[in-house]
Amino acid sequence: EDKVVQSPLSLVVHEGDTVTLNCSYEVTNFRSLLWYKQEKKAPTFLFMLTSSGIEKKSGRLSSILDKKELFSILNITATQTGDSAVYLCAVRGSGGGADGLTFGKGTHLIIQP
Amino acid sequence: AAGVIQSPRHLIKEKRETATLKCYPIPRHDTVYWYQQGPGQDPQFLISFYEKMQSDKGSIPDRFSAQQFSDYHSELNMSSLELGDSALYFCASSRGEGPQHFGDGTRLSIL
Repeated sequence: EDKVVQSPLSLVVHEGDTVTLNCSYEVTNFRSLLWYKQEKKAPTFLFMLTSSGIEKKSGRLSSILDKKELFSILNITATQTGDSAVYLCAVRGSGGGADGLTFGKGTHLIIQP
Repeated sequence: AAGVIQSPRHLIKEKRETATLKCYPIPRHDTVYWYQQGPGQDPQFLISFYEKMQSDKGSIPDRFSAQQFSDYHSELNMSSLELGDSALYFCASSRGEGPQHFGDGTRLSIL
């Protein structure tokens, strides 16, 4: 059974700080790892990672995957109050039910002004 | 850009009733997925369709069924509703191996 563990489960920082969110996984025949941001409603897609060591970047957010150690990190620099959300890590493998993503419990990030 | 459209946004039902949720994927996306997210929980995969055929099945109860129609929209049919079915139901769509994009969800409340 695929498994995703995120840490920390919650994090409170001040505006302007840099945060690093962690995601480790166990998956049958890894295909991809995805990061989503969830506020009140739908998870919003951030990054999809398939190859080790290649950083994906979008503005103040960046992410990298280590397929040997089975983990990924999501970095947010110069945090803003609008970054407050639950950040979900998910993996896609190729075992039974593998079309669907297996999600972690998420990191609840709170940015204080 | 067009997103995944779900309806209704909110639905209130009583125990043992039936419910139908609808999903319209992003144009040219070939795969539709359904997820259930309970309060304080992460989304759980239910079922998926590729080119109108069921492609994979997750933890979908036997009381639930789904299909994808010729115009690519999908419907999740839920029968004999139970209190534990109260949740946020998301539909997502993707193209090939691309990322899944989620709709805003249907919040189902069972009284």
